[in-house]
Amino acid sequence: AQSVSQHNHHVILSEAASLELGCNYSYGGTVNLFWYVQYPGQHLQLLLKYFSGDPLVKGIKGFEAEFIKSKFSFNLRKPSVQWSDTAEYFCAVNGDTGGFKTIFGAGTRLFVKA
Amino acid sequence: GAGVSQSPRYKVAKRGQDVALRCDPISGHVSLFWYQQALGQGPEFLTYFQNEAQLDKSGLPSDRFFAERPEGSVSTLKIQRTQKEDSAVYLCASSLGTASYGYTFGSGTRLTVV
Repeated sequence: AQSVSQHNHHVILSEAASLELGCNYSYGGTVNLFWYVQYPGQHLQLLLKYFSGDPLVKGIKGFEAEFIKSKFSFNLRKPSVQWSDTAEYFCAVNGDTGGFKTIFGAGTRLFVKA
Repeated sequence: GAGVSQSPRYKVAKRGQDVALRCDPISGHVSLFWYQQALGQGPEFLTYFQNEAQLDKSGLPSDRFFAERPEGSVSTLKIQRTQKEDSAVYLCASSLGTASYGYTFGSGTRLTVV
């Protein structure tokens, strides 16, 4: 079955710390991978996406993610977090064998201490 | 409009009552998706429209759930005879093309069944 697993439900970091949020997926076929972010009181927004080409994808606000096909992973990274990065982050996958639906992980709540 | 608009933002329904949730997607977006997000979980796929055609309704949890998009723009998700387990945030998303484009989400409708 298609699924997305996010390793941490809650992460607490101090400002300027480095961030890595884990995401593994189970999907039989060619995949498109996404990270979405939901800031407090706001709607879900697309942070970055991968569908082909360079496996290292750069998104908004200094975030990047690396697609490692052999590990079925798409981890999100940021070298130095800011208080304003406090949000919930969702990893998601769709592709050529899942019809039209996108499968989301359960989310990781990130809290950055000022 | 500039974004995906959902109404109402909040809905409290008595158990057994019917509800209708509205989604107004971004103008020109062909694809429209409905998701259900329970507390502490990621969004779960309900159904997908391409223009007015409902191409996938595999995620609708029961025959009490019904969605339509008669003119290929505004969509309505209807839940008949609401139950407490229907309490969740219902998210609408639209996309220019297929799911590989990534979604633009609305703010959601928070449904509470009492």
